[in-house]
Amino acid sequence: AQSVTQLDSHVSVSEGTPVLLRCNYSSSYSPSLFWYVQHPNKGLQLLLKYTSAATLVKGINGFEAEFKKSETSFHLTKPSAHMSDAAEYFCVVSDLRGGGADGLTFGKGTHLIIQP
Amino acid sequence: DTAVSQTPKYLVTQMGNDKSIKCEQNLGHDTMYWYKQDSKKFLKIMFSYNNKELIINETVPNRFSPKSPDKAHLNLHINSLELGDSAVYFCASSPTLGSGYGYTFGSGTRLTVV
Repeated sequence: AQSVTQLDSHVSVSEGTPVLLRCNYSSSYSPSLFWYVQHPNKGLQLLLKYTSAATLVKGINGFEAEFKKSETSFHLTKPSAHMSDAAEYFCVVSDLRGGGADGLTFGKGTHLIIQP
Repeated sequence: DTAVSQTPKYLVTQMGNDKSIKCEQNLGHDTMYWYKQDSKKFLKIMFSYNNKELIINETVPNRFSPKSPDKAHLNLHINSLELGDSAVYFCASSPTLGSGYGYTFGSGTRLTVV
């Protein structure tokens, strides 16, 4: 079985300061990990994905995430927040067992608030 | 062209009605999915179809039935709608049934049952 825990339901940062959104995962097999973003009343957009290649993954809009197997973590970071980053962020896991029949397992989301 | 398109975008209906949500993908993907996002933003998979065969059938009420006329379409039919069915429903597709491949999501259908 696979699961994802997003450690913060809300994160508030000032514009121009770093962003850290925390995610821990549990998977019986080698996982693939993703971060998705959902802006208000919009669909889901893929930010980045880890699929057993480089452990530091760069995504769109200046975001990146580091896969740490020893800590079972996949935290999302950005050096400098922008007002347009305000959104809901989802950490997602999918394991490689048998073709990934479980689909994607989503975390409960972290609401990122950017203060002017 | 929109890669994964859902219609309608908004759907307001009364309890007890039957409704359908349509989904189409033009990516040539083999697998399509339906996810439900509840009022707390939690997303959970409902169904997936791979080459027109149902692969997953999560423990959702049997009032929900996916229908796939071909691999580019996966429609969701809901019978006897209940208040608790109010949610945002997302269609998605992936190249194959397997992890490591990015999914493409539709923009969602907001269903409100009154």
